[in-house]
Amino acid sequence: EIVLTQSPATLSLSPGERATLSCRASQSVSSHLAWYQQKPGQAPRLLIYDASNRATGIPARFSGSGSGTDFTLTISSLEPEDFAVYYCQQRYNWPPLTFGGGTKVEIK
Amino acid sequence: EVLLVESGGGLVPPGRSLRLSCAASGFTFDDYAMHWVRQAPGKGLEWVSGIAWNSAGIGYADSVKGRFTISRDNANNSLYLQMNSLRGDDTALYYCVKGRGAYYYFGMDVWGQGTTVTVSS
Repeated sequence: EIVLTQSPATLSLSPGERATLSCRASQSVSSHLAWYQQKPGQAPRLLIYDASNRATGIPARFSGSGSGTDFTLTISSLEPEDFAVYYCQQRYNWPPLTFGGGTKVEIK
Repeated sequence: EVLLVESGGGLVPPGRSLRLSCAASGFTFDDYAMHWVRQAPGKGLEWVSGIAWNSAGIGYADSVKGRFTISRDNANNSLYLQMNSLRGDDTALYYCVKGRGAYYYFGMDVWGQGTTVTVSS
């Protein structure tokens, strides 16, 4: 089973700042990595698939990069609605499809 | 608009069974794989099971293998999860999730709002 480790666990930033979230895989997942956003009391929402492709309707301030074992989700300028928990998930080695433990982006 | 509505959750004693359902609309159901993902209270996401468009490919997390069974009814645009021998650590919000392609290894995109399962005596 591939283990995904997300860092940091919590990121404290102000609106307008740049957010950089990391996801590291225990073995290569090629580019088969997705990112999801989850706000309190809501279901997760797909942001990025296959490492760098924005899902339908996702603003351009969200971008994904990386391949192999190291991946990054970048939010170029945080909007108030971006404060949430973010999860990465791999689909390279299955089953299972595994998720990282999440990074909480909170208001500083 | 893609819509996924889960039902069937509730409070159940350890060792008993429960069957979850998911009603899908807004897309061609039998073109896509489907998944169940759960989230224990205050915890992260855990993939539970996935099923291919034609039910030919099915996968389970080790934590539920042998106890849970995923199935689908393409004629009625429905997904199911039969959960047997329930344990306390099965307590979670269970999400129905649409696949991004015909087979479950293509990943997931749209999520339902979830149904809560509580296993307790």
